Amino acid sequence: DIQMTQSPSSLSASVGDRVTITCRASQTISNFLNWYQQKPGRAPKVLIYGASSLQSGVPSRFSGSGSGTDFTLTISSLQPEDFATYYCQQSYSTLSITFGQGTRLEIK
Amino acid sequence: QVQLQESGPGLVKPSETLSLTCTVSGYSISSGFYWGWIRQPPGKGLEWIGSIYHSGNTYYNPSLKSRVTISVETSKNQFSLKLRSVTAADTALYYCARVNCSGGTCYPDYWGQGTLVTVSS
Repeated sequence: DIQMTQSPSSLSASVGDRVTITCRASQTISNFLNWYQQKPGRAPKVLIYGASSLQSGVPSRFSGSGSGTDFTLTISSLQPEDFATYYCQQSYSTLSITFGQGTRLEIK
Repeated sequence: QVQLQESGPGLVKPSETLSLTCTVSGYSISSGFYWGWIRQPPGKGLEWIGSIYHSGNTYYNPSLKSRVTISVETSKNQFSLKLRSVTAADTALYYCARVNCSGGTCYPDYWGQGTLVTVSS
């Protein structure tokens, strides 16, 4: 199985900050990497697919980059509604899907 | 607008079979896409259970494969999950989702609201 490791596990930041979350795969996964945001009591919402493509309707302050084994999700200027938990997810082996353990983004 | 709704018992006894159904509206399962199940134990992260295509082709998480069956009933626009021999470790919020495979990567783009299943005697 391909293991996904996110860092940090939790993060405190302020409104307006630039934030970066990283995700590392245990083997190369090309660009088959997606990012999700989950708020308490809600289903996850896809933000980025294919490592860098912005899902329709997602604000442009969210961006993704990376290829191979190392990936990043960047929020350019944190807004109050961005405080949530973020997950990466790989699908290198078609439909053999694994998620990272999550990064909890909290208000400083 | 695509909508998904999970249904099934909220309490299952240990060693029994967990059975859930996902009803899809706003899109015909027969038209394409994969359809999947994901779970989330209380306070923990996401775990992929498996996926099915409308033709019936299935893909399962290797760690659950021996206990899982996912099936589809296109006439009712539903797909279902069966997880056998459950234990307390299977207690989780279970989500159904549409899985979009675009440009080689696959990701759930529409999700149900989730249903909590507790395994307890």
